[in-house]
Amino acid sequence: DTGVSQDPRHKITKRGQNVTFRCDPISEHNRLYWYRQTLGQGPEFLTYFQNEAQLEKSRLLSDRFSAERPKGSFSTLEIQRTEQGDSAMYLCASSLDGFYNEQFFGPGTRLTVL
Amino acid sequence: KNEVEQSPQNLTAQEGEFITINCSYSVGISALHWLQQHPGGGIVSLFMLSSGKKKHGRLIATINIQEKHSSLHITASHPRDSAVYICAVKGNSNYQLIWGAGTKLIIKP
Repeated sequence: DTGVSQDPRHKITKRGQNVTFRCDPISEHNRLYWYRQTLGQGPEFLTYFQNEAQLEKSRLLSDRFSAERPKGSFSTLEIQRTEQGDSAMYLCASSLDGFYNEQFFGPGTRLTVL
Repeated sequence: KNEVEQSPQNLTAQEGEFITINCSYSVGISALHWLQQHPGGGIVSLFMLSSGKKKHGRLIATINIQEKHSSLHITASHPRDSAVYICAVKGNSNYQLIWGAGTKLIIKP
């Protein structure tokens, strides 16, 4: 399978715990995006990488959130001291560089914070 | 007012009906996406377009840049078309998508 993959698909955690999600983009894609989608809403942009450089972060990405893409391939999104409001679907997408950079999405990681 | 508005929010139709979902946006864009999301969360890109019209099977997407409006049409709808359809626009900053809230479509057999 050469699509975008995410791990885990589901995560249930208790409030206050730290969680980490992984995204593996399509191998030749140098852009990687993280989005968050709460129930009944459209996705919201969180952050974006071009290769290993994190070029943009949304105001939604509080200090408890950190994302990395150390080698310009896979990326991790960590949430520290989770809150119930963090419960959402976390979506990863990747794209090629250039103007016509269609984004391809992974299956998402559904986080439930109890 | 949201930058990307979709209508209707919910749509229920009978199998075989012609479906239209609308998207209006208020920002300058370089491209517009139509995406499909099934229960369970996975998002599939259907179309990306910046002008005119695209067709793929029973799906047709049109965009009018001057009117800042796009439509997604489904011909001969089928129950397997039931999903949430999301419009998202790519701004001129070229890095993120601005998303509509989605249209939940249910096709009854």
